[in-house]
Amino acid sequence: RKEVEQDPGPFNVPEGATVAFNCTYSNSASQSFFWYRQDCRKEPKLLMSVYSSGNEDGRFTAQLNRASQYISLLIRDSKLSDSATYLCVVNMGYGGATNKLIFGTGTLLAVQP
Amino acid sequence: ETGVTQSPTHLIKTRGQQVTLRCSSQSGHNTVSWYQQALGQGPQFIFQYYREEENGRGNFPPRFSGLQFPNYSSELNVNALELDDSALYLCASSLGQVENTIYFGEGSWLTVV
Repeated sequence: RKEVEQDPGPFNVPEGATVAFNCTYSNSASQSFFWYRQDCRKEPKLLMSVYSSGNEDGRFTAQLNRASQYISLLIRDSKLSDSATYLCVVNMGYGGATNKLIFGTGTLLAVQP
Repeated sequence: ETGVTQSPTHLIKTRGQQVTLRCSSQSGHNTVSWYQQALGQGPQFIFQYYREEENGRGNFPPRFSGLQFPNYSSELNVNALELDDSALYLCASSLGQVENTIYFGEGSWLTVV
C-alpha cells in the first residue's frame, strides 16, 4: 500500500463548479499535512497546510481527519487558472528531526471554459 | 519566487555516466532536501542535509549521494546513471530540520539515454 494515496484523475469540470479531492495516508505517526499545487513542468508550490480543525483560504477549504487518516481539499467556484495537479503531502519526519515529505501521485484538475 | 535556484535546468546524459546537480538555498536556510519526480509521479524524497550533514534518507541506492557546503548550498551526485534515473530533480530548502515552510527550486530535468 502506498504511503499517500489519491485519485489521479483527471477531473474535468466547468468553470464555477465545486470540486473535491480526497487523499488517505497510511502512517498514523505522520506529523503535518499539506496540499501542494504543481503546474505543468514546474516545481510544486505550497497551496495550504491542513489542520484537524479545518482551514479555509478564499475558495479553498482543507480538512484533516486523523482518526480516518484522510485529507480533503475543496475548491469552490473553479477558475480556469485552477487547472493544475494537486498533490497531497504528508510530512513524516524522522523522529521529529527531519523534514521528509511524502507526496501522493497528484490529481490532475482541468477546468473547462 | 522562492529564492531557491538550481542548475543546470536541463541536461542529457548517457547510461553509465555520472551527473552533479546544484542547488542554492534561500538566504538563511540551513536545511536542504532533494526529491526525484518521475513522469506521472509525485516527488520522492532522496535525502536531507542539515548543517553539512545528511540527516535523513529515502529509499535510494548509495550511488545517489550529496554534499552541503558551509554556505548551505548543496549538490546531488548520481553515479552509474540508469535509464530510470530520467526525472525532474527538485531541491527544497527550509529554515531548520523540521519546518512546515519548505521552498522548492524549479528543478533540474535529467534525461538518461
